[in-house]
Formats: sequence, structure tokens, C-alpha cells
Amino acid sequence: NAGVTQTPKFQVLKTGQSMTLQCAQDMNHEYMSWYRQDPGMGLRLIHYSVGAGITDQGEVPNGYNVSRSTTEDFPLRLLSAAPSQTSVYFCASSWGQFYGYTFGSGTRLTVV
Amino acid sequence: AQKVTQAQTEISVVEKEDVTLDCVYETRDTTYYLFWYKQPPSGELVFLIRRNSFDEQNEISGRYSWNFQKSTSSFNFTITASQVVDSAVYFCALQANQAGTALIFGKGTTLSVSS
Repeated sequence: NAGVTQTPKFQVLKTGQSMTLQCAQDMNHEYMSWYRQDPGMGLRLIHYSVGAGITDQGEVPNGYNVSRSTTEDFPLRLLSAAPSQTSVYFCASSWGQFYGYTFGSGTRLTVV
Repeated sequence: AQKVTQAQTEISVVEKEDVTLDCVYETRDTTYYLFWYKQPPSGELVFLIRRNSFDEQNEISGRYSWNFQKSTSSFNFTITASQVVDSAVYFCALQANQAGTALIFGKGTTLSVSS
């Protein structure tokens, strides 16, 4: 069982570059989310999806785009990276609204 | 508004001590779920427990126990006879109807257990 797979694990970007963080799950979960973790801030929701073709914004969506063309995949796009986006990013999936989430191992992103 | 407060930023104990991690939550929803996650030094987030708002029974799993009290809006986590492997950041989280699918996390408590 792979669970939730995130790639890459580490990434360094220059300011203004774009990139996509990949997230895939093999548990047939409908719900998927992206969180960012910053020191002393806990985890904050960026975007989420309740099924293929349906996405919505979370607490800190600015600077990020998502799409959900399949149940399995939920990529997070940074259109023009900024130093403020330096963070650890976690993708998570769940059976439903209150089932709790299974998290990926995270992507540590540094923007210089 | 939904909010989770973990007032203890860092706790240090010696092996075999018992330790309680506090979690206080705020929500106006009558239906909600509370969670605890563990984040060891390796960085992954490990699910520990889920509790719904209608079940106030305490739960015990090995050395771990959880005390849910709606009267004080608290969901505290106790580790009995702590071990070095318990060293991690522990997050309490809330999921309520008003927040949709979002898990609202506290800022975490860093537990350090020394031998």
C-alpha cells in the first residue's frame, strides 16, 4: 500500500519560477487537501477537493492553483514562486468529511 | 470561528515520566471531530486518534490515553511511562461542519523525552 505519495521530497526554486508539487493516492479517497507547515504556525489549508472536478480554496490559497482531473491525483501549482512560499507542503486524503486524513511524507520547498 | 489552542509549546520529561498534552478547542457546531497527530523527527504526520463530539468516553491505547471533556472544550492526551521514541511534535486538530473539510490544527506541542 503506497498511501499518499508526494514528489519531490525536496525542491529549491528561484523567485519567479513555477513548479508543480505532485500528489497521488491509491486508496480511492474522494477528499484531498494541501496544507503548508511553517514554524510555530501549525498546518494551514491551502486548497482542497471533495471529488474529481471539484476544488475550493482553503485558508491560504494565494499564489497556488490546483486541479483534480482524476480521483487519484491532486497536483499543487506554484505559478510564480516567492520567498514567502518557503515551507513544508503536505498532501492528504480521506474517505469523507469527518474520517480524518492520511498524510503524505511532505515536500520541503525553499524559494531563494 | 473554529480554533484549536495548544498552550504548551515545548515539554521536556525524563523517560518513564507521565506527560499530558493539553488541547482546547472552539467551535459553535454541535457535530465535530477531534484528532491527534504525531510528527516524529522524520517529518511525517501519523494519525493517533479520532473522537466525535457525541462520544465523551475516555480512550486508552497502550500507553496513550485521551480525555475528552465537552464542558471545558478540551481533548487532552496523556502518555504514560514516556519513552525516548515518544519525542515528537504532537498536533491536536478539529474538524467541524462550518469548516467544511478543513482540519483546523493547533500550533503543536514539541515533546522531548530524555533517557
